[in-house]
Amino acid sequence: GESVGLHLPTLSVQEGDNSIINCAYSNSASDYFIWYKQESGKGPQFIIDIRSNMDKRQGQRVTVLLNKTVKHLSLQIAATQPGDSAVYFCAEIPVNSGGYQKVTFGTGTKLQVIP
Amino acid sequence: DAGVIQSPRHEVTEMGQEVTLRCKPISGHNSLFWYRQTMMRGLELLIYFNNNVPIDDSGMPEDRFSAKMPNASFSTLKIQPSEPRDSAVYFCASTLNSLAGGSEQFFGPGTRLTVL
Repeated sequence: GESVGLHLPTLSVQEGDNSIINCAYSNSASDYFIWYKQESGKGPQFIIDIRSNMDKRQGQRVTVLLNKTVKHLSLQIAATQPGDSAVYFCAEIPVNSGGYQKVTFGTGTKLQVIP
Repeated sequence: DAGVIQSPRHEVTEMGQEVTLRCKPISGHNSLFWYRQTMMRGLELLIYFNNNVPIDDSGMPEDRFSAKMPNASFSTLKIQPSEPRDSAVYFCASTLNSLAGGSEQFFGPGTRLTVL
């Protein structure tokens, strides 16, 4: 039979506009969250992280917002550039127990920047 | 730092053959992870080593898969015998894990495996 792949949600954004990528996480015990960027043919790369005792963290052109009440994470990219085109994954890590951090990755969102 | 190094970058083999993927983590990192990425299942954790000891191998698909970490600077993932459904990109990642809490994992460039 025909195989069906993951249907990655796609966000198309005009160059220069702001992008917002959302992620719903599943484990209320997660206390550390990371956004990764994966360009075609490469491994995931760290963008920004946030711990559960924060609700906002800013980096260079990126901001991560955490809403623990509804278990929602978002990544905001300001002034989106063509180089931002990639698949973005959120990852959640539960409260550390015995030093083992089992990371759960989301399915990813594809960001397409229109020049 | 050279980052996480994986070899080979591409591997094409025939069904039934043994495949060995290699990883050199970042120097000083004490945790190493093997992941598999496919269109069907996304990014899946296969096995996690801490201080060269396998801690969680619950993600290893079946007995055909095995992983070793003989020392802090080298790990292998072996598939024997390989099957077409093993075709995927295999990533190795490392981190400096501590009881203080989670930390960023650094990923290698991946090995694209095709089993014919």
